[in-house]
Amino acid sequence: NAGVTQTPKFQVLKTGQSMTLQCAQDMNHEYMSWYRQDPGMGLRLIHYSVGAGITDQGEVPNGYNVSRSTTEDFPLRLLSAAPSQTSVYFCASSNLGGAKNIQYFGAGTRLSVL
Amino acid sequence: AQTVTQSQPEMSVQEAETVTLSCTYDTSESDYYLFWYKQPPSRQMILVIRQEAYKQQNATENRFSVNFQKAAKSFSLKISDSQLGDAAMYFCAYRKNTGTASKLTFGTGTRLQVTL
Repeated sequence: NAGVTQTPKFQVLKTGQSMTLQCAQDMNHEYMSWYRQDPGMGLRLIHYSVGAGITDQGEVPNGYNVSRSTTEDFPLRLLSAAPSQTSVYFCASSNLGGAKNIQYFGAGTRLSVL
Repeated sequence: AQTVTQSQPEMSVQEAETVTLSCTYDTSESDYYLFWYKQPPSRQMILVIRQEAYKQQNATENRFSVNFQKAAKSFSLKISDSQLGDAAMYFCAYRKNTGTASKLTFGTGTRLQVTL
């Protein structure tokens, strides 16, 4: 069972570089989301999607873009990386709403921006 | 906006003892879910236990149980017979039961140490 797969696990960027963090799930979940985790701040929602072609902003969206062309994939793009984006990034997926809505998380991507 | 507060940055417990991690939250909703997630050094987020706000009975999963006080907006996690493998960061999280979007709001976490 693959669940939620994130790649890469680690990445080092220079300020101004761009990159895409990949997220894929094989559970046919409608809902997918990206969080960032910083020391002492818990996980904060960046962007989320309730289905293919539908995305919306979370709590900290600035500097990040997302798209959802398929149910399975939800990539997160950093167009011009900044040191403030050094963080651990988590992708999560779930069914929509209801009692069975439990979010499953990927293993995370540790990103350093120099 | 909903907020989740974990006032204990770090806790320590001896193996086989019991420890309680605190969580309070603020919401104007009446229908919601509360969660405890465990994050070991591997970074993987693991769901420990879930509570539905409309259920008065406290959730239990083996050695893990919660004390859900809806009026006080309190949701503590009790770990009984603590084991070395319980050492991790623990996050409390809230989700409104909207029927559609599934946004989670997290607390800042409590780091649990388990000593021999």
